[in-house]
Amino acid sequence: EAGVAQSPRYKIIEKRQSVAFWCNPISGHATLYWYQQILGQGPKLLIQFQNNGVVDDSQLPKDRFSAERLKGVDSTLKIQPAKLEDSAVYLCASSLVAGGFTGELFFGEGSRLTVL
Amino acid sequence: GDSVTQMEGPVTLSEEAFLTINCTYTATGYPSLFWYVQYPGEGLQLLLKATKADDKGSNKGFEATYRKETTSFHLEKGSVQVSDSAVYFCALIGPGNQFYFGTGTSLTVIP
Repeated sequence: EAGVAQSPRYKIIEKRQSVAFWCNPISGHATLYWYQQILGQGPKLLIQFQNNGVVDDSQLPKDRFSAERLKGVDSTLKIQPAKLEDSAVYLCASSLVAGGFTGELFFGEGSRLTVL
Repeated sequence: GDSVTQMEGPVTLSEEAFLTINCTYTATGYPSLFWYVQYPGEGLQLLLKATKADDKGSNKGFEATYRKETTSFHLEKGSVQVSDSAVYFCALIGPGNQFYFGTGTSLTVIP
């Protein structure tokens, strides 16, 4: 079974530029999450989708971050314009049932963003 | 709000030593608790879980017991191996089914 796919693995941009990350969850997984993991910290939830609807985006900085999950499958997270403090690993995860629960999230390998 | 607090790292142990990584939580109600592990170069993966008080989760020689009275879920292993070197995250599920992760504890096991 294919895992959660993310791209790109690494991205270096200058501040005020834009960047987009893509995630393809495990087939059949209804729930998709985007997390931000800053070096030395635990993952912080940015947004949670159930199919193509947003369940929770309370910690998403909406002035610069946006995310969509059209058709309830893959998802894109965009940052525009980027700030230095956005340097982090962006993790995508999926689960079979929202909170359900085996409680198991399946994570991708992450996209590492460096903002100069 | 709901949160978890993990012991600070990094932790360095010799092979076959006993491991404890402390985790305490703050939550409304009785959340499910988890330990996730991130091996070098890999994504996070579930190590073990417990869904109610006094449950013991176990996997790969690791154990953790859900202690309601002390709001704790400490991770233990009797004899660590070099292959256990990784970052370990304690986590809980909040009332809206959001996962809250601790800051992570880096473990290095030396031969």
